[in-house]
Amino acid sequence: AQSVTQLDSHVSVSEGTPVLLRCNYSSSYSPSLFWYVQHPNKGLQLLLKYTSAATLVKGINGFEAEFKKSETSFHLTKPSAHMSDAAEYFCVVSVASGGSYIPTFGRGTSLIVHP
Amino acid sequence: DAGVTQSPTHLIKTRGQQVTLRCSPKSGHDTVSWYQQALGQGPQFIFQYYEEEERQRGNFPDRFSGHQFPNYSSELNVNALLLGDSALYLCASSIAGRPLETQYFGPGTRLLVL
Repeated sequence: AQSVTQLDSHVSVSEGTPVLLRCNYSSSYSPSLFWYVQHPNKGLQLLLKYTSAATLVKGINGFEAEFKKSETSFHLTKPSAHMSDAAEYFCVVSVASGGSYIPTFGRGTSLIVHP
Repeated sequence: DAGVTQSPTHLIKTRGQQVTLRCSPKSGHDTVSWYQQALGQGPQFIFQYYEEEERQRGNFPDRFSGHQFPNYSSELNVNALLLGDSALYLCASSIAGRPLETQYFGPGTRLLVL
């Protein structure tokens, strides 16, 4: 079984300040972990992925995430928030099953960016 | 390339009715997955179609069924609608056997059941 827990339903930051979105995971196997972003009325967009290579993963738009096996965490960070970063963010774990990769999504964290 | 397209964008139904949602995959993709995203929740996997057959299924009742056509497009059907079926329904396409990061999501169909 696999699951993810996003520890904050909402995170509010000021433009130009750092962003931290927290995610803990549970998986019986070596997981693949992802962060997706969802802007209103747009499809989910992949930010970054971890698939057992480097533990610090760089994604698009300046986002990074660090895989910490000992803490079963995969937190998403960005050094400086931009107004356009305001969106819903989902942490996702995926394990191969029957030749397919079925994801389990967290409940999401809404990032609010104040001017 | 239009990416993944879904129709309609919005839909209102009443309890007990049936609904059909449609999805056209990204060009070159042969696999379609459907997700339900309730308000304030993350998407939940419903099922996946490849070669016109259901290959994987999440924890959803039989009221949820689907179909994939020879051109790889897909339909999601929900019978005997319940108020709790109100959600954003997402379609995602991919190439069979490729990992999750190759999956492209559509903008979704928002279903409201009254």
